[in-house]
Amino acid sequence: GQNIDQPTEMTATEGAIVQINCTYQTSGFNGLFWYQQHAGEAPTFLSYNVLDGLEEKGRFSSFLSRSKGYSYLLLKELQMKDSASYLCAVMDSNYQLIWGAGTKLIIKP
Amino acid sequence: ETGVTQTPRHLVMGMTNKKSLKCEQHLGHNAMYWYKQSAKKPLELMFVYNFKEQTENNSVPSRFSPECPNSSHLFLHLHTLQPEDSALYLCASSQDQGAVDEQFFGPGTRLTVL
Repeated sequence: GQNIDQPTEMTATEGAIVQINCTYQTSGFNGLFWYQQHAGEAPTFLSYNVLDGLEEKGRFSSFLSRSKGYSYLLLKELQMKDSASYLCAVMDSNYQLIWGAGTKLIIKP
Repeated sequence: ETGVTQTPRHLVMGMTNKKSLKCEQHLGHNAMYWYKQSAKKPLELMFVYNFKEQTENNSVPSRFSPECPNSSHLFLHLHTLQPEDSALYLCASSQDQGAVDEQFFGPGTRLTVL
């Protein structure tokens, strides 16, 4: 079957760095997405990786290793507004998104 | 209005009621999706429409009935629901199905079935 694993919850300190991991097993691979979802709001797109390596976008970076079925989202200089759930999703061979359950990130002052 | 909108934002209904959820996208996209989001569970894809035609129905019970009158509007008709159907129902759109496109989400309808 298809499976996406990510930690349920993480806690980090304002100003610090946090890495949220995602491992996947899917039928085919057409890229991996990260979305951010604040409580009670819509998920919003953060990043897309289809090739191995690191993609940097401001304070956020996303890494992919296709051979290991592994990705991470790196958040630097954490701010209180980064408190949210972070969803990992893989697009399979049918171009359907397979979602992880999300990682709730709690930022403490 | 911009992006993807959903109404109502909150809905409480009894098991014998009939209600409808509405989604509208103002992005000129061709594909629209219904997802169910339950606490601590992955998003569950329910239905997909591409150019108004239903292309996916992921074994969703018949008490959920989708309707897509045009590429901008999507409805989810609800009847004789069960308490386990209580969840956040998210609508999303993308440029096309069957391509690597970012999906844009609405804020969701929080449904409670009593």
